[in-house]
Amino acid sequence: AQTVTQSQPEMSVQEAETVTLSCTYDTSENNYYLFWYKQPPSRQMILVIRQEAYKQQNATENRFSVNFQKAAKSFSLKISDSQLGDTAMYFCAFSLMEYGNKLVFGAGTILRVKS
Amino acid sequence: GAVVSQHPSWVICKSGTSVKIECRSLDFQATTMFWYRQFPKQSLMLMATSNEGSKATYEQGVEKDKFLINHASLTLSTLTVTSAHPEDSSFYICTTSGRSRHEQYFGPGTRLTVT
Repeated sequence: AQTVTQSQPEMSVQEAETVTLSCTYDTSENNYYLFWYKQPPSRQMILVIRQEAYKQQNATENRFSVNFQKAAKSFSLKISDSQLGDTAMYFCAFSLMEYGNKLVFGAGTILRVKS
Repeated sequence: GAVVSQHPSWVICKSGTSVKIECRSLDFQATTMFWYRQFPKQSLMLMATSNEGSKATYEQGVEKDKFLINHASLTLSTLTVTSAHPEDSSFYICTTSGRSRHEQYFGPGTRLTVT
């Protein structure tokens, strides 16, 4: 069975600064996806970034980037130039690569961006 | 991207009654849908996998007779909470893989309050 661990229940960052959210996972599989999702107060889940395990290059999406360390089973999210709108709950998630596979979520990290 | 809707967005029911939540894929055929439950400030926990035309697969600890799932068509899955109790009050989210195995699409969620 796969597990996802987020060890930071809450984080704060000043506007315009950089913050890194941690995530580790455990699996015996070799082909999988890793995701970071954002859940704002509306509670609609929003995909922030996705990483395919077979890709060595770290994924980036504008101000969001990941540090994917496959051997260490680590998948951290870096948010640069933090904005007030980044305030939300962030979930790290895992899924196997087969079609229609379920997501396994970490406990989440509440991120607060302060002005 | 794919659109998934849920209805209702918020429902209040009395203890002992049943309530049905609908999850629809609006622009694609979803052979598999997932139902998650999320308590306040907690993570998403998978309840069951809903397969079109067959019985749902429930996660360990989820009562299949209490949480009835029906996936009668490729665009609709329903979750019925039977004989609801206050401890069933939660946020229920459905997801589906859509056309791509790379990403899952989330419904906006249904907030259930049992009084």
